[in-house]
Amino acid sequence: GAGVSQSPSNKVTEKGKDVELRCDPISGHTALYWYRQSLGQGLEFLIYFQGNSAPDKSGLPSDRFSAERTGGSVSTLTIQRTQQEDSAVYLCASSSRYSGTYHYEQYFGPGTRLTVT
Amino acid sequence: SQELEQSPQSLIVQEGKNLTINCTSSKTLYGLYWYKQKYGEGLIFLMMLQKGGEEKSHEKITAKLDEKKQQSSLHITASQPSHAGIYLCGADAASNYQLIWGAGTKLIIKP
Repeated sequence: GAGVSQSPSNKVTEKGKDVELRCDPISGHTALYWYRQSLGQGLEFLIYFQGNSAPDKSGLPSDRFSAERTGGSVSTLTIQRTQQEDSAVYLCASSSRYSGTYHYEQYFGPGTRLTVT
Repeated sequence: SQELEQSPQSLIVQEGKNLTINCTSSKTLYGLYWYKQKYGEGLIFLMMLQKGGEEKSHEKITAKLDEKKQQSSLHITASQPSHAGIYLCGADAASNYQLIWGAGTKLIIKP
């Protein structure tokens, strides 16, 4: 079946512009995660959606970052007034469920490579 | 600073040799996940470990979670070029449901 897809695969933008990154999770997966991966670094948690619950936004680095998930499926990560330090690979993952104690395996998309010039 | 320490940061191994990658936490791990990432691609799930002493294998890759649930090792037997990539460990280590991640181990296989 189809995996997690993300678009665009690459995005080059000028400093100060807004960007939108899209994630299509695996159908039926209730949990959706956004991560940021900078060169040589591990994954930085950004935001987590679980079903209809309020999202966990605690990882968003500033108020320039926001995300929404429409209809419990597609998610959009928006970065306003982009800065050069926002340059990174943005990864989306989905999971079928969360037990309340631990996560089940996450399925990752190929990522969007964002370059802010 | 990384809450999960992976070692080594990079590894060059002759094809056919065995290797081990470690993932260490100062906190008790409630779930430990191993993923593999190839350049320009997303992460591919390898294995998940939950119980102290648990060991899982997939093809030539074996992962273990120690009894105290603070360290995991990933062992590859008779390495092949297809094993090359970046190996990341992730873990549930807190009372919330955020995962923490190691910085990754870059594995290069020399033919």
